[in-house]
Amino acid sequence: DQQVKQNSPSLSVQEGRISILNCDYTNSMFDYFLWYKKYPAEGPTFLISISSIKDKNEDGRFTVFLNKSAKHLSLHIVPSQPGDSAVYFCAASRTGTASKLTFGTGTRLQVTL
Amino acid sequence: DGGITQSPKYLFRKEGQNVTLSCEQNLNHDAMYWYRQDPGQGLRLIYYSQIVNDFQKGDIAEGYSVSREKKESFPLTVTSAQKNPTAFYLCASSINSGPNEKLFFGSGTQLSVL
Repeated sequence: DQQVKQNSPSLSVQEGRISILNCDYTNSMFDYFLWYKKYPAEGPTFLISISSIKDKNEDGRFTVFLNKSAKHLSLHIVPSQPGDSAVYFCAASRTGTASKLTFGTGTRLQVTL
Repeated sequence: DGGITQSPKYLFRKEGQNVTLSCEQNLNHDAMYWYRQDPGQGLRLIYYSQIVNDFQKGDIAEGYSVSREKKESFPLTVTSAQKNPTAFYLCASSINSGPNEKLFFGSGTQLSVL
C-alpha cells in the first residue's frame, strides 16, 4: 500500500523554465512533508519541508505547495538549472512518530540546455 | 567536517553468507536509521535506533539485524535469511527521533549477490 505516490517517474524541463514535481498521499494523519534530492550513487539530501499548518513554503528557487483537501503537494523550481537534474523524493510523516518517514518512489528531473 | 560515512561503497555477497554494512556518524545525533532502496521504489525503513543500546524494527526488518553499542555507530548485518538482498542501502541520522526532524543520509552501499 503506497501511502505516498509520485506518479511521474520522470520529467524533462528546459533550463530557465519552471519545474513542477507532484506528490499525492493517502494517509490523512500525515502532517509534515519533506522533499529530498538525490544524485546517482549518493544519499538523498534535504531540500525543503512544509508543515500541515501552512500551504506554502519558499526557500530561494524552491517552493513547496500543500493542498490538504486534495492530499497533494508540489515542488516548484524556478528557474530550473542543469544542476537540478536529480531524483526528487517526496516524504511524509505524522507528528509524534519517531521520524519514520514514508517516502514516495521518486521523480527523475532532467534539466536540458 | 561532520557527516555520515558508509562503507564499503560496493559489497558482494555469496549465497548463505552474512555481510555487515558499516555506518558511522560524527554529528552527535541520537537517532540513526537504515533504509533500503530498490529500483523504481521509495526508500523503505529496515531498522531505527533512537538511543544507544536500543533499536526498533522498521517496515522490512526480516533477514536483517543491527546493533547500537556506540552513539556514533549503527552497523547493519544482512543475514542469509534475507532472500533478496540486492539493493542500495542508505544509513541516516537525525538529531533526535522527535517529530519533524530531518534526516541526514550517508552516500550508500550497493549490495549485490554473486
